[in-house]
Amino acid sequence: ILNVEQSPQSLHVQEGDSTNFTCSFPSSNFYALHWYRWETAKSPEALFVMTLNGDEKKKGRISATLNTKEGYSYLYIKGSQPEDSATYLCAFYGNQFYFGTGTSLTVIP
Amino acid sequence: DGGITQSPKYLFRKEGQNVTLSCEQNLNHDAMYWYRQDPGQGLRLIYYSQIVNDFQKGDIAEGYSVSREKKESFPLTVTSAQKNPTAFYLCASSIVTSGDQETQYFGPGTRLLVL
Repeated sequence: ILNVEQSPQSLHVQEGDSTNFTCSFPSSNFYALHWYRWETAKSPEALFVMTLNGDEKKKGRISATLNTKEGYSYLYIKGSQPEDSATYLCAFYGNQFYFGTGTSLTVIP
Repeated sequence: DGGITQSPKYLFRKEGQNVTLSCEQNLNHDAMYWYRQDPGQGLRLIYYSQIVNDFQKGDIAEGYSVSREKKESFPLTVTSAQKNPTAFYLCASSIVTSGDQETQYFGPGTRLLVL
C-alpha cells in the first residue's frame, strides 16, 4: 500500500487569512495528483487534477502546485472565507487512487 | 439531476449478518469504486469495476463482495467474514476527462454500525 501524507491534520484560520497545505507522495510510478474538497455532510468534490512537474492550477481563490520529482503538492487558499471550511483531500494516482488522510480547515468569521 | 446515490445513509448490522450497501449512478460512467474510511485514515479501496460484469479487488477486499450486473449499479456486500465492519463507506464513479485524466465523482456515503 502506497503512503500519501497530508499536513497539517487540521487548521484554524481567521477569515481573510491566506493558508496552504501539503500533500506528500512517492515520486515513482506517478501518473496524476488529485485534490478534493469535502464539506461536512456532502460528497467529496474534485478541485484539481495535476499531471506534469511544475503544474499550477487555479480556481478562484484556490490554487495548487505540483513537484513530481520531490513528491509533493501544495494547495493554497487566498483570503480564506467561512465557506472554505472543509476537509481537503489529495489522492495519488498510479495504477489506482491512494488518498491522504486530509487537512481539515476551519475558517473563523 | 445526474449523480451518485448511496443508500441507506445509516445502516445497523448485527454480528454475523451480511448487509448490502447500494450505489447507483446515472452519469453513464464506466468505472465504479468502493472505499472505506476509518478515523485518522485516508480512503482505502475495497473493490473497483472498470466495466460491467468485471471487478477487481482493492487493498482491503477481504470480507467484502461486489457485483456489477448493470452499468448504473455497484452494490457492496459486507459479509460476516469482515471482522471490523464499522466504518464510513463511499462509492465513486469515474470518467476519463480531457488530457486522458480520470476524475472521480463521489456519493454521499453510508455509515455502517455493528450492534
